[in-house]
Amino acid sequence: SYVLTQPPSVSVAPGQTARITCGGNNIGSKSVHWYQQKPGQAPVLVVYDDSDRPSGIPERFSGSNSGNTATLTISRVEAGDEADYYCQVWDSSSEVVFGGGTKLTVL
Amino acid sequence: EVQLVESGGGLVKPGGSLRLSCAASGFTFSSYSMNWVRQAPGKGLEWVSSISSSSSYIYYADSVKGRFTISRDNAKNSLYLQMNSLRAEDTAVYYCARVGDYGSGSYRDYWGQGTLVTVSS
Repeated sequence: SYVLTQPPSVSVAPGQTARITCGGNNIGSKSVHWYQQKPGQAPVLVVYDDSDRPSGIPERFSGSNSGNTATLTISRVEAGDEADYYCQVWDSSSEVVFGGGTKLTVL
Repeated sequence: EVQLVESGGGLVKPGGSLRLSCAASGFTFSSYSMNWVRQAPGKGLEWVSSISSSSSYIYYADSVKGRFTISRDNAKNSLYLQMNSLRAEDTAVYYCARVGDYGSGSYRDYWGQGTLVTVSS
C-alpha cells in the first residue's frame, strides 16, 4: 500500500513562512491535495491538484510537488492558520491515502 | 450553498450495527462521487469508502471490507453507510465528503461536520 509521510509538527512565528512536507514514493507523479483541520471542525480543502486553490482560500496558501516530496507553503502566517494539515493522494493500490497529519503551531 | 449533514451516530456494543446517513443539498447530488472518511479520537484522517455517482463503482478500505456497506439514494439526495460487526477500533467521527469533479477529481472539496460513533460495551 502507498504511504504518505508528514512531520508531526511544524512551528513558525507570525508573519513568517511555514512549509509542511508530504513524502511518498514518486509522489511527483501523483496529484496531491491538502486539507486544514482546526480543533473540533471538519477538514477544509486548501490546495488541490498540487497547487490549485479552491475559491475563498487565501493566496498565502500554495503547493508544489516534485520527486518524492510535496510541500504546502503558507506565507505570512497568521494565528488563525494554527491547525492540523493533511496531505492526500489517490493510489491505484490503496485508493484514497491520507498522510498522518502535521500540527502547525504559530508561536 | 453546498451542505452535507451526517446523522445516525451513537453508542453501540461490539458486534453491533449502525447505519449512518448523510443528507446533501446545494448541488446536483447525482452528479458526484461521495466518500466516507473517519477520524478516531486524537488521530488522523482515514478513508473508509467511496461510491460513484451512479453507484457503479464502490470501494472500501481493507479495515472495513466485508463489514461496512456504502450506498446512496440519488432521489433522496442521501448517502449511507451500513456498519456491521462493529469493533472498538471503529470508534471515530465519521465524515461524509464530496469528491471534486474538476481537474484530477481525486480530492474531497466539501465535508460534513461529522457524526460520532462509539463502540464500547
